[in-house]
Order: sequence, then structure tokens, then C-alpha cells
Amino acid sequence: DAGITQSPRHKVTETGTPVTLRCHQTENHRYMYWYRQDPGHGLRLIHYSYGVKDTDKGEVSDGYSVSRSKTEDFLLTLESATSSQTSVYFCAISGQGFSQPQHFGDGTRLSIL
Amino acid sequence: SQQGEEDPQALSIQEGENATMNCSYKTSINNLQWYRQNSGRGLVHLILIRSNEREKHSGRLRVTLDTSKKSSSLLITASRAADTASYFCATDSMDSNYQLIWGAGTKLIIKP
Repeated sequence: DAGITQSPRHKVTETGTPVTLRCHQTENHRYMYWYRQDPGHGLRLIHYSYGVKDTDKGEVSDGYSVSRSKTEDFLLTLESATSSQTSVYFCAISGQGFSQPQHFGDGTRLSIL
Repeated sequence: SQQGEEDPQALSIQEGENATMNCSYKTSINNLQWYRQNSGRGLVHLILIRSNEREKHSGRLRVTLDTSKKSSSLLITASRAADTASYFCATDSMDSNYQLIWGAGTKLIIKP
């Protein structure tokens, strides 16, 4: 399995609090992605990174920010969490761009009360 | 927006039977990928098929692509209990700036 670690694996927090999710990879892949997965929906892209300090928005980026200061780490921040952001969040990596196979972490289950 | 839509939403078959899942999409694509997701885990890449390819095989998996019908199918032959999972298709296209657009998945249950 590709070396991708997401932390925390589970988190419960309250509306209005900031939340940061971490994705760490040991594959030295250039591309990293944050998705959310909700029942009845496919994965939806939140943000992605194509290199250190190079990031761009995905389909559902409102309310989220990201940072990538090192190749191996990609952080997703909810500045002020809302109940609509309750979801399972997946990090993925790929050596090339979107068109290549992506390798996924095991997800972070986030509940916002 | 959902580009890929899987059909059926759920499928339950006996071990040893073949399982077929379909994916339809709306715009011209660059590539189509299939992934598997076991309960509580991340997605695992199965097969990538390019728009100029019609069929690909990998072990017990066979993927076909019909660009004229904007559809793909994933066939799993001689199913096993371990094949129980959700299966997703994802497409990339110029329209999506090559970002992957995912279907909602087919939940496959293999009964022993």
C-alpha cells in the first residue's frame, strides 16, 4: 500500500471551532488531493496541490483552506466548522496529475455538532 | 456535479457468479478509472482505461468503454466474498480541467 497517513482518524467537534486535518505521505508524490465523501454522492474534490506551496481549488472549496509547506504534508483547515461539513475526508496522492491512478488514505471521519 | 453515474446502486449475488456494474458519463472524457472501496477504508485503484481503448483486463476484472454511448462496464468474474465492496468510476475531461469527477458508486455484496 502507498504510504499515506491521515490524522486524526476520527474527530468530533462543535460548530464554529477551527479544525485541521493532516495528510502525510512517504511516496514523494507531487500531487496531493483532499476529497469529501458523503452518502449518495461520489467523492468531491475540495482542494489539491501540485507542489510545495502550489495549491488550487476543487469543486467544493468554500469554507476550506489548505497548505503544503513540505512535499510530504498536506493540511486541510476548516476555519469555522459548520454542520454541513460533517463528512468523511480522504487524502489522495499521485505521481502525475489527475489522469493517473490516485492512492488514498483511510480517511478521517469528522462530526460537527 | 456528477459526471459518472453507476448502475445499479446495489448488487447482491452468490459467490462464484459474475458481477457487472455500469458507469455512464455526460461529456467527452480523457480517461475513465475504476476504484474499489472496502467498508471503512480508502479507495483502491483497479483499472484505468483511456478514451481510445475499448477493453482492458486485470486478473478477474474486465473493463469496457463505449465512447459513443458514454458508458463503461466493470465485470468481475467468479466473484469471491472478498469482492464485497463499493465500486466507483471516475472520469477526467477537459471540461473538468482534468479533475476527477466521481460517480456515487455500486455497492456489491457477495453472498457465500
